[in-house]
Amino acid sequence: KAGVTQTPRYLIKTRGQQVTLSCSPISGHRSVSWYQQTPGQGLQFLFEYFSETQRNKGNFPGRFSGRQFSNSRSEMNVSTLELGDSALYLCASSPGNSPLHFGNGTRLTVT
Amino acid sequence: AQKITQTQPGMFVQEKEAVTLDCTYDTSDQSYGLFWYKQPSSGEMIFLIYQGSYDEQNATEGRYSLNFQKARKSANLVISASQLGDSAMYFCAMREDSNQAGTALIFGKGTTLSVSS
Repeated sequence: KAGVTQTPRYLIKTRGQQVTLSCSPISGHRSVSWYQQTPGQGLQFLFEYFSETQRNKGNFPGRFSGRQFSNSRSEMNVSTLELGDSALYLCASSPGNSPLHFGNGTRLTVT
Repeated sequence: AQKITQTQPGMFVQEKEAVTLDCTYDTSDQSYGLFWYKQPSSGEMIFLIYQGSYDEQNATEGRYSLNFQKARKSANLVISASQLGDSAMYFCAMREDSNQAGTALIFGKGTTLSVSS
């Protein structure tokens, strides 16, 4: 089985721009969640989607949003980028309440 | 409030030695799960081992075992016979099994393990 695929791997954006990150889960996995990893704050939960519905949301501003499509693929969007949004964004999938399987992440740099 | 505490920022061990990475947690839920993940320098998070709060036996997966002490709220990872490839960041994480939590994990700050020959 193919693992969780995240695209792109690296991204450089300018402050004020917006960005969309993509995640393809493992086949058959209906839950997709997103995490932000920074040296200062560590790994923080952004949100989780299950069957195209947001099931849970972390403590992030409304500039961070996401969606899930009928094929379980997910995108997250960050609008009005700030320097502090520079981070490794990790996507994870699971079939239900099983351990999460993570992708390799998208490293976003905001200049 | 921080719910997962990993007090060891860095650990150093020689090949073939065993090493214990500490993790304590805080939750008021009766049902929860504890996880350990490994993150090499390449960035991907690799699932290692899982322990459910109602599991009576300590979880084991190959060279990994989880020393679960529920009363002390600790879930230490033990790696036996360390290998050079074990050098990585290790994260302890918890999932509270309420309906609202979904699969959301709360992570500790991590411990960097360095294995030398």
